[in-house]
Amino acid sequence: EPEVTQTPSHQVTQMGQEVILRCVPISNHLYFYWYRQILGQKVEFLVSFYNNEISEKSEIFDDQFSVERPDGSNFTLKIRSTKLEDSAMYFCASTSSGSGFIQYFGAGTRLSVL
Amino acid sequence: TQLLEQSPQFLSIQEGENLTVYCNSSSVFSSLQWYRQEPGEGPVLLVTVVTGGEVKKLKRLTFQFGDARKDSSLHITAAQPGDTGLYLCAGKNAGNNRKLIWGLGTSLAVNP
Repeated sequence: EPEVTQTPSHQVTQMGQEVILRCVPISNHLYFYWYRQILGQKVEFLVSFYNNEISEKSEIFDDQFSVERPDGSNFTLKIRSTKLEDSAMYFCASTSSGSGFIQYFGAGTRLSVL
Repeated sequence: TQLLEQSPQFLSIQEGENLTVYCNSSSVFSSLQWYRQEPGEGPVLLVTVVTGGEVKKLKRLTFQFGDARKDSSLHITAAQPGDTGLYLCAGKNAGNNRKLIWGLGTSLAVNP
């Protein structure tokens, strides 16, 4: 069964460093999302991406964040200068009209900023 | 701001008992999804409800979408230890965007 894959599963970084979280969405999906979940808190929407551009972003998704689809398979989230409060689980999701726009999630990347 | 409130936040029951968890909002959603999440893993979709009043069953789990599409419930019959986990509801608003609005979840523990 097709699935969304995310790498790495755990990323440890120093405050101020750049990190890139990687996602491989389900191959025929066209809409891509990043969510984050701070420990003990709600899952929060960060950004949606369609047709090679951001379609919506939340107030969390400030200038420190960027997304890219560098090729036909990967979808990345970059945090330019990490802060302690960026520590969270980051989930990638993808969907398509063929799936009834049901979002399928990866297992997540746990980002720990020290 | 659209909000989804889930209750109860924590629930600990004995194997064989029945339970219901709730997902409520003052906003209308075009659809609502229930997910289950294990520690350290991503949410796994259980069901999507779309039509007001819709009822869907998944083995011992029964999901209902409110008539006004503002709330939903999950009922588990004869709970088993394997049902232990975090149950999340997420709603998709009626606009053109497709982001999900999430509840905080109900953490269920089923004791043998």
